Amino acid sequence: AQSVTQLGSHVSVSEGALVLLRCNYSSSVPPYLFWYVQYPNQGLQLLLKYTTGATLVKGINGFEAEFKKSETSFHLTKPSAHMSDAAEYFCAVSDLKAAGNKLTFGGGTRVLVKP
Amino acid sequence: EAGVTQSPTHLIKTRGQQVTLRCSPISGHTSVYWYQQALGLGLQFLLWYDEGEERNRGNFPPRFSGRQFPNYSSELNVNALELEDSALYLCASSFSRSSYNEQFFGPGTRLTVL
Repeated sequence: AQSVTQLGSHVSVSEGALVLLRCNYSSSVPPYLFWYVQYPNQGLQLLLKYTTGATLVKGINGFEAEFKKSETSFHLTKPSAHMSDAAEYFCAVSDLKAAGNKLTFGGGTRVLVKP
Repeated sequence: EAGVTQSPTHLIKTRGQQVTLRCSPISGHTSVYWYQQALGLGLQFLLWYDEGEERNRGNFPPRFSGRQFPNYSSELNVNALELEDSALYLCASSFSRSSYNEQFFGPGTRLTVL
């Protein structure tokens, strides 16, 4: 069974500083990879996804992520944090070989942005 | 274009009762997924429906069930509610069953079991 690990359940950054959220997955084959954001009392919104092709993926709100097969990682970054980035972020994988189209999520990382 | 909608937004039930949650996918989407987001347990896959049939099921007991209607909307039913069923239930939809298609999530139904 595949799994997703997000290092750090809480991250605190200053406004304007780099945001780095770590995601590692375990899968027998490279999966499709997703980052979602969840604002308080809301559902999940897709930030970006990696399926095939270029390993550096750009998403919405200035976020990007790089797929590194050798490290089984898909870390999310944003060069300069904004107050509106305060939310919970989830990394997810969709296993190509799994029976059924389901997402397996990491535990989430809650981001606090300090002024 | 309207997103995924869910009803009700909040629900309070007592142990042993039954509950039905509803989800309407984005127009044109045929796949509907249900996830449970319980405190301390993260996001767990519950059920996947596509073209009116249950295609996959997560590690949940049979008292969690559902169905998908011809218009692709879906219901999630939970029987014999237990305290640990308290959670945010998220519905998502996608254009097809292909795993590269992103899932679009609704705002969720928050269920509290007393």
